[in-house]
Amino acid sequence: EPEVTQTPSHQVTQMGQEVILRCVPISNHLYFYWYRQILGQKVEFLVSFYNNEISEKSEIFDDQFSVERPDGSNFTLKIRSTKLEDSAMYFCASSEALREQYFGPGTRLTVT
Amino acid sequence: LAKTTQPISMDSYEGQEVNITCSHNNIATNDYITWYQQFPSQGPRFIIQGYKTKVTNEVASLFIPADRKSSTLSLPRVSLSDTAVYYCLVGDQGGGYQKVTFGTGTKLQVIP
Repeated sequence: EPEVTQTPSHQVTQMGQEVILRCVPISNHLYFYWYRQILGQKVEFLVSFYNNEISEKSEIFDDQFSVERPDGSNFTLKIRSTKLEDSAMYFCASSEALREQYFGPGTRLTVT
Repeated sequence: LAKTTQPISMDSYEGQEVNITCSHNNIATNDYITWYQQFPSQGPRFIIQGYKTKVTNEVASLFIPADRKSSTLSLPRVSLSDTAVYYCLVGDQGGGYQKVTFGTGTKLQVIP
């Protein structure tokens, strides 16, 4: 069964550093998403991406965040200058159409 | 976006049927109702989605009354491995993307 993959599984970075989280969506999917989940809290929508542009973003997704689909398979989330409060699990998801989303296993980001 | 309300937690014995109800009084005409399951430190996993009446798949059933202001996820004969958080989502499927908002979910504990 095809699945969404994410790398790395765990990223530790210092405050102020840039991080790039990587995702490989399911190959025939057209819609891509990033979510985050702070430990013990609910899953929060960050951004959705379709046809090589952002479709929707939340208030969390400020200028420090950017997304890119650099090639036909990868989908990345960049945080330009990480803050302590960016520590969370980051989940990538993809969907074939406007229905169920398939989530990856997540990247645990720890900002020290 | 329609807000959802579901019980914070539920306990059930193995082998029993579990019904988790979600209220979404402000559901819009375009909204679908989707349920996800999340195990600790994993990404949410799609369970079932519906628009009205009843939907059944190999994992669960989803009951939606005519007014669509609530829905009930039914898990037949739960096992210990069904212990997880279950999220009810109501999503707008317009505009080429799916806006979804995760609530706090229902933490289901299956007891031996």
